[in-house]
Amino acid sequence: GAGVSQSPSNKVTEKGKDVELRCDPISGHTALYWYRQSLGQGLEFLIYFQGNSAPDKSGLPSDRFSAERTGGSVSTLTIQRTQQEDSAVYLCASSLGGAGLYNEQFFGPGTRLTVL
Amino acid sequence: DQQVKQNSPSLSVQEGRISILNCDYTNSMFDYFLWYKKYPAEGPTFLISISSIKDKNEDGRFTVFLNKSAKHLSLHIVPSQPGDSAVYFCAANAGGTSYGKLTFGQGTILTVHP
Repeated sequence: GAGVSQSPSNKVTEKGKDVELRCDPISGHTALYWYRQSLGQGLEFLIYFQGNSAPDKSGLPSDRFSAERTGGSVSTLTIQRTQQEDSAVYLCASSLGGAGLYNEQFFGPGTRLTVL
Repeated sequence: DQQVKQNSPSLSVQEGRISILNCDYTNSMFDYFLWYKKYPAEGPTFLISISSIKDKNEDGRFTVFLNKSAKHLSLHIVPSQPGDSAVYFCAANAGGTSYGKLTFGQGTILTVHP
């Protein structure tokens, strides 16, 4: 079956512009995550959606960042008034979710964002 | 505050030899640990995991060891193959209200020479 897909694969924008990054999770996965990887760094957790529960936004670095998940499937990460330090690879992952044992997260290929 | 650390940015080994990748953590609430492998331009893929109730988990050529008292885990690859060349990330999960959230290390670039 299809894996996690993300679009666009690359995005170059000017400082101050807004950007939207899209994630299509694996069908049937109820949990969806956003991470980012800045140059030379590990993956940094941003936000986590589980079913209809309120998302865990504890990793969002500022109020310029927001994310939504429509219909329990597709998710959009929005960065307003982009800054150069927002340049990174933004990775989306999904998992079967639910309580109990940890469920493996499957990652998409990422969106490379460059803010000039 | 880097709660998961991979202190070796890179490792180079000969094909057929053992590769040992190391990871240290500081948060005693972590109870599940994972290793992910990442090729260029691809997302990370799950490799192997270990629960804090175990000290070893093996899957084919890959073995993960956990030393809770030292807050240290390691990934052993035996024998190493050129196709294993990739970036390896250590990750940890604290469960509870942090369920699902992974904390990653910075990654170690493994190069296996033919």
